[in-house]
Amino acid sequence: GAVVSQHPSRVICKSGTSVKIECRSLDFQATTMFWYRQFPKQSLMLMATSNEGSKATYEQGVEKDKFLINHASLTLSTLTVTSAHPEDSSFYICSAGDRGGNYGYTFGSGTRLTVV
Amino acid sequence: DAKTTQPPSMDCAEGRAANLPCNHSTISGNEYVYWYRQIHSQGPQYIIHGLKNNETNEMASLIITEDRKSSTLILPHATLRDTAVYYCIVRIGGGANSKLTFGKGITLSVRP
Repeated sequence: GAVVSQHPSRVICKSGTSVKIECRSLDFQATTMFWYRQFPKQSLMLMATSNEGSKATYEQGVEKDKFLINHASLTLSTLTVTSAHPEDSSFYICSAGDRGGNYGYTFGSGTRLTVV
Repeated sequence: DAKTTQPPSMDCAEGRAANLPCNHSTISGNEYVYWYRQIHSQGPQYIIHGLKNNETNEMASLIITEDRKSSTLILPHATLRDTAVYYCIVRIGGGANSKLTFGKGITLSVRP
């Protein structure tokens, strides 16, 4: 079945630095990828929709200059958390779907970001 | 996308069937019902989806009422590894561009 690989699984960074998270579709091409954030004991919250070759669409309240999304190819989308602060500590998850048809999206395994 | 309502939690005994309910009374004619689950600290996993007919796969069965205002996910023989948060989501079917909006889900605890 479809596989989405997300790296790193865990990252600890210092406040003020930037962190890049990668999301790859391993056996299919993903025109669209989605980025979610999940705080402890809460549900997934959609941050943005990443479209190959075009600008990402951000959900209301998500700072586009802080969460940079790049979807340069049909198999790779990246999320960069810029100038990270402790409040950005969260579980970040990407998902993608193959082109066309009715199916369920495949999710990455998530990235646990801790900003110290 | 239409909103869904799920009880916050339920439990069942290992080996028994787990029936997880979901209400989606405002579902539109072109919206599908999807079920995902999330085991602690992992990404969500697709389980099953349907439009109006009942569906079954190797993981579960999905029963959708005739008026499509509610559905039930059935895990026929629950195991301890089925302990997870289960999300019922409705979205417009077709294509890879429509986003999934997650609610709070239902926490299923399978007891030995």
